[in-house]
Amino acid sequence: EVQLEESGGGLVQPGGSLRLTCVGAGFRFSDYWMSWVRQAPGKGLEWVANVKQDGSEKYYVDFVKGRFIISRDNAKNSLYLQMEYLRADDTAMFFCAGGRLGELSLWGQGTLVTVSP
Amino acid sequence: DIQMTQSPSTLSASVGDRVTISCRASQTISNWLAWYQQKPGKAPKLLIYKASTLESGVPSRFSGSGSGTEFTLTISCLQPDDFATYYCQQYNSYSEYTFGQGTKLEIK
Repeated sequence: EVQLEESGGGLVQPGGSLRLTCVGAGFRFSDYWMSWVRQAPGKGLEWVANVKQDGSEKYYVDFVKGRFIISRDNAKNSLYLQMEYLRADDTAMFFCAGGRLGELSLWGQGTLVTVSP
Repeated sequence: DIQMTQSPSTLSASVGDRVTISCRASQTISNWLAWYQQKPGKAPKLLIYKASTLESGVPSRFSGSGSGTEFTLTISCLQPDDFATYYCQQYNSYSEYTFGQGTKLEIK
C-alpha cells in the first residue's frame, strides 16, 4: 500500500522550533519531488517548500524563507521540515505530498502544528 | 509570483447537475495545472493534472480543460460523494507552486 505518514507536530511556544518527519512506503520514494503543504484552521491549502528527488534543489515560499529548512533522506524514505522562529500564524495542519512532476499525487494525513503561549 | 483565482468561492448544486469551476492564473502557466478534491478532515486528493489528464482511479465524470491562464474543472453528473472543496494548483516552475483559494461545492 502506498502511504505517507507525518509525525512531529505538536504545541510549541512562539519563537520555538519543531521538526516534522514524513515517511513513505509502498512506492519508490527517490523518484518523487516531495513537498510540504500547510492548511491553517478553516483556510485553504498553502504550499510551503519542496525538494528535488536527489535533494539538489530546494525551494520555499517567501514567508518561511530563513525560518524553515526542507530535507530528505532517500535511504530512509524520509522527508523532513525543520521549523524555527515559529509564529502564531504558522499554526496549521502540515501535509507532506509528492509527485513525479509538480502535481501532488501522494499525500499524507497531516500533522498538526499549534503555535501558542 | 503567480496568483491563482478560483470562482465561484461557493457553489450550490443538486445531485445529477453539471457544474463548472474556473481557475485563472495571473500569468501564463501553459498546461501545468492540477485539480484536487478535499473533504473535511482529510488530505486532498489529486483529480486532474496537466490541465486535462485524469488521475488513475478518478471517475470519468470529472474533466479538466484550458491552457495559458484560463482553466476549468467540470463534473458532468454530480454524485453525493462529490460534495467537497476543490482546489486548483499551478506548477509552472518547481520554485513556486500556488493553490487557488478553493471552491466549496454544497448541496442545494
